[in-house]
Amino acid sequence: GDSVTQMEGPVTLSEEAFLTINCTYTATGYPSLFWYVQYPGEGLQLLLKATKADDKGSNKGFEATYRKETTSFHLEKGSVQVSDSAVYFCALGGATNKLIFGTGTLLAVQP
Amino acid sequence: SAVISQKPSRDICQRGTSLTIQCQVDSQVTMMFWYRQQPGQSLTLIATANQGSEATYESGFVIDKFPISRPNLTFSTLTVSNMSPEDSSIYLCSASGASFSYNEQFFGPGTRLTVL
Repeated sequence: GDSVTQMEGPVTLSEEAFLTINCTYTATGYPSLFWYVQYPGEGLQLLLKATKADDKGSNKGFEATYRKETTSFHLEKGSVQVSDSAVYFCALGGATNKLIFGTGTLLAVQP
Repeated sequence: SAVISQKPSRDICQRGTSLTIQCQVDSQVTMMFWYRQQPGQSLTLIATANQGSEATYESGFVIDKFPISRPNLTFSTLTVSNMSPEDSSIYLCSASGASFSYNEQFFGPGTRLTVL
């Protein structure tokens, strides 16, 4: 069945460092891919999305490119801030209208 | 996008009691979902709330424990019945619809439940 494998955390970075959180997927067909962010004590917010191969989703300085050849959707940001500290979830949307989530990656950014 | 609210935002309940969580969307949506997020864990789908018919439950979740209602296209409730400490979790609702990208879901802020 469909699945998402996400880089384990926690990831600890200094402010202004480069961020990569790896996400790979297994799916039949052509899924949509998402990154959600969960700030402490809050619900999930949609960060960015891509609906077909080679699409690049971007928002708030974060980017991810839908790579069909490597079945990946890695999240990147060129310069993280303390306010980016949160849990990041990679998710796959397949033919069933349901979302399949990765395990989540805790990012801690230190000043 | 959609703005989703949940009530209550948090609650502390006694073992054996039941709690009903409400989810309200600011626009009509096609599908609504209920998830559980145990401490430090990812999200697990409990069920899809179907308007006008019985909810569709995922493996490991049953209607007697988690009855769900969806009387219209903007509102749903989840009841956690006969609670035990193992039910302590965050419960989140989400929604998707024809005006969103395919499979895109927006989430409510969650209900933080502690069972003593």
